[in-house]
Amino acid sequence: AQKVTQAQTEISVVEKEDVTLDCVYETRDTTYYLFWYKQPPSGELVFLIRRNSFDEQNEISGRYSWNFQKSTSSFNFTITASQVVDSAVYFCALSEALYMKTSYDKVIFGPGTSLSVIP
Amino acid sequence: GAVVSQHPSWVICKSGTSVKIECRSLDFQATTMFWYRQFPKQSLMLMATSNEGSKATYEQGVEKDKFLINHASLTLSTLTVTSAHPEDSSFYICSASGSESGYEQFFGPGTRLTVL
Repeated sequence: AQKVTQAQTEISVVEKEDVTLDCVYETRDTTYYLFWYKQPPSGELVFLIRRNSFDEQNEISGRYSWNFQKSTSSFNFTITASQVVDSAVYFCALSEALYMKTSYDKVIFGPGTSLSVIP
Repeated sequence: GAVVSQHPSWVICKSGTSVKIECRSLDFQATTMFWYRQFPKQSLMLMATSNEGSKATYEQGVEKDKFLINHASLTLSTLTVTSAHPEDSSFYICSASGSESGYEQFFGPGTRLTVL
């Protein structure tokens, strides 16, 4: 069965601090996708990243970076030099790939981490 | 990326009435649409998966007679909450995917339902 765990329920940091959001996943499939989404107070999900199980390279996008480690089934997300606009709930999610291994099925979301960045 | 819309963005209704929520893929054909429900301060929980032209597949614990899903075209899926009660008050989010979107799932902006 698939499962996503985000152990940090709430995190508060002071602006300009770095913060890492943890994500641990469980799946029996060898081919799967991992995601991070941001949900600001408006409620609309903002897609941040998708990573497939065969690509363990870390990724950096501006102030955002992701560390994918299959050995520990983790896909952690770091925000450097945090800003007030980063305040939101962040969801890590998992999906097992469909038949041709190029598309994916339903997305299972973790419980989310609420990040507050204090000015 | 592709655009998915939901209508209405919010709705308030009286207990016992039925409410219909629409999910549209605006610039691609969605062979599959997913419906999620999110209670306050909780995560998104998948309710059902619908493929165009066939019956929806409901997740365990979701009443299919209460949450009617129709996916009659490649750009539109509807979720009808029948005989709504206050405990159905929630944020409902749909997502859509298809070959034209590279099977990427694109999420709608959500519909906030409040049942009085």
